[in-house]
Amino acid sequence: QVQLQESGPGLLKPSETLSLTCSVSGASTSTYYWSWIRQSPEKGLEWIGHIYNSGDTNYNPSLKRRVTISIDTSKNQFSLRLNSVTAADTAVYYCARVGSGHYDACDVWGQGTKVIVSS
Amino acid sequence: DIQMTQSPSSVSASVGDRVAITCRASQGVSTWLAWYQQKPGTAPKLLIYGASSLQSGVPSRFSGSGSGTEFTLTISSLQPEDFATYYCQQTNSFPNTFGQGTKLEIK
Repeated sequence: QVQLQESGPGLLKPSETLSLTCSVSGASTSTYYWSWIRQSPEKGLEWIGHIYNSGDTNYNPSLKRRVTISIDTSKNQFSLRLNSVTAADTAVYYCARVGSGHYDACDVWGQGTKVIVSS
Repeated sequence: DIQMTQSPSSVSASVGDRVAITCRASQGVSTWLAWYQQKPGTAPKLLIYGASSLQSGVPSRFSGSGSGTEFTLTISSLQPEDFATYYCQQTNSFPNTFGQGTKLEIK
């Protein structure tokens, strides 16, 4: 059974860097593509970006200047960094697996972690 | 960015009813369209991918149809556990984008 678990600080101050890690069990990060998605009442579900098992990435242009997704196949984890956060980055952050042969839909999701940006 | 618009935004229905939710894309996405179900406090769950392929383990009362710019999620006979919010997502081009959601409530 594939499981994903997000971890990282839940409270940040404006201008700080958000850093989240997704730990994967039951599947290899070197085999699939992986994604970060966030959800807020204001913006709904928002795709942040993908990382491929090659390490190549695609990011949402609205976040591209501030976001980095990386992968550590030795630890079976992938990570999200978002610089210079503001209150608009307050959201529940999900990591997800992009299913193989699933037209790039996300077939397994983490439970989500709430991140609040407040001074 | 491709805009995804769902209708209705909310719908009330009874157990046993047939319900259809529509998702329209601002430009063609072929069949690169997924549907998710989300219950309060939980992550979205994949129901349909490729516009009409049923995800493993999802009951057959869920079905998807459409291509290009118009898509439909149909629940043939509502069960109590189906009351939730449903989202479409296009994965044809970056950035992948989601609809605003359709909340399915008990009548």
